[in-house]
Amino acid sequence: DTGVSQDPRHKITKRGQNVTFRCDPISEHNRLYWYRQTLGQGPEFLTYFQNEAQLEKSRLLSDRFSAERPKGSFSTLEIQRTEQGDSAMYLCASSFRARNTEAFFGQGTRLTVV
Amino acid sequence: AQTVTQSQPEMSVQEAETVTLSCTYDTSESNYYLFWYKQPPSRQMILVIRQEAYKQQNATENRFSVNFQKAAKSFSLKISDSQLGDTAMYFCAFTDGTNAGKSTFGDGTTLTVKP
Repeated sequence: DTGVSQDPRHKITKRGQNVTFRCDPISEHNRLYWYRQTLGQGPEFLTYFQNEAQLEKSRLLSDRFSAERPKGSFSTLEIQRTEQGDSAMYLCASSFRARNTEAFFGQGTRLTVV
Repeated sequence: AQTVTQSQPEMSVQEAETVTLSCTYDTSESNYYLFWYKQPPSRQMILVIRQEAYKQQNATENRFSVNFQKAAKSFSLKISDSQLGDTAMYFCAFTDGTNAGKSTFGDGTTLTVKP
């Protein structure tokens, strides 16, 4: 297992288009998290899953954002009708609930909305 | 709600010297964890060191150690014998005792190690 994998690494899209990102967590990890990181700031929590259930969503996650984790494995984050303010790095992380020690992060997907 | 403050946006240190990065936090929780993460340029964030709030002893990991002052809500990171590979952005993060992955992060300190 090579760790948390995110795809694509970079995405440029026109304003108003929809985009979807994928995250593959470490295989035995049952918790998966999405964060957003803008330039010069720390990551901000968006949402998390335990297995296939989405247990918490931040107020930052507007109704244009939706996340899924079918079958409790990989997850997707979709942004509809993208806006320039959506430009950011989207980070995925995973952890193992029984070992509440740390989360392991992917390299992120950098979104640029033009 | 918890807040995490890193008051040093940028710092630099000469190779082989020691540097301390500051972090303060605010919470009403009694059971929590504190982390320092390292994010090298264009690379993924990795855990540097972790401290459980109930432990009085400061955590250490090789050249990295923390000064955890619970009453003052302070959690600083000391890097000894700095190496060029330590150049990165460092984030302080707070997590309550139930969910290690759901963290509140500070805005980071960019550390440059100079040869």
